[in-house]
Amino acid sequence: DAGITQSPRYKITETGRQVTLMCHQTWSHSYMFWYRQDLGHGLRLIYYSAAADITDKGEVPDGYVVSRSKTENFPLTLESATRSQTSVYFCASSRQGPNSPLHFGNGTRLTVT
Amino acid sequence: ILNVEQSPQSLHVQEGDSTNFTCSFPSSNFYALHWYRWETAKSPEALFVMTLNGDEKKKGRISATLNTKEGYSYLYIKGSQPEDSATYLCALPVMINSGAGSYQLTFGKGTKLSVIP
Repeated sequence: DAGITQSPRYKITETGRQVTLMCHQTWSHSYMFWYRQDLGHGLRLIYYSAAADITDKGEVPDGYVVSRSKTENFPLTLESATRSQTSVYFCASSRQGPNSPLHFGNGTRLTVT
Repeated sequence: ILNVEQSPQSLHVQEGDSTNFTCSFPSSNFYALHWYRWETAKSPEALFVMTLNGDEKKKGRISATLNTKEGYSYLYIKGSQPEDSATYLCALPVMINSGAGSYQLTFGKGTKLSVIP
């Protein structure tokens, strides 16, 4: 039971580069989410998706792009990385709607130099 | 953006003490309340999802209550152990498009619990 996996676990990139963080889940969960963890802010929602081909902006979407062509994958792309995007990124999925708990991946620690 | 408040921000207790903390939220348009436990260097793990006013959930030494009319939930830990040290998060869904089932889950900033042996 692989669950939900994120890759890479760690990434260092330079300002201005494009970076893609991968998220894959094996449960066929409908809902997927991307959060970033920042000191003093907790977990903030970047983008979310209710199903394949349905994505919406969360609280802090600027500078990020997502796609969901397949139910199991939800990649997050930083189009032109900035130092302010240095953070730990968590992908999560849930089976049904708001009454279902989220299952989190192990996180990707991204450093933008 | 939904305003989810957690208090206290941090808490230090001695091993064996019982403790509790609070999650406060707007009582209108309530769907559910989630509690998560987040250990350092790990990912958040779900403890409870609560939906009904007066709900009580229990998992081992951890329990939670819910009051949707006044907009709060309490998380209790009985006889705290060092392994209970973690940040406890509450989160509430906000329906964006109920027809499509699209929702956001907004987290509070958490209560960081440290249990001193």
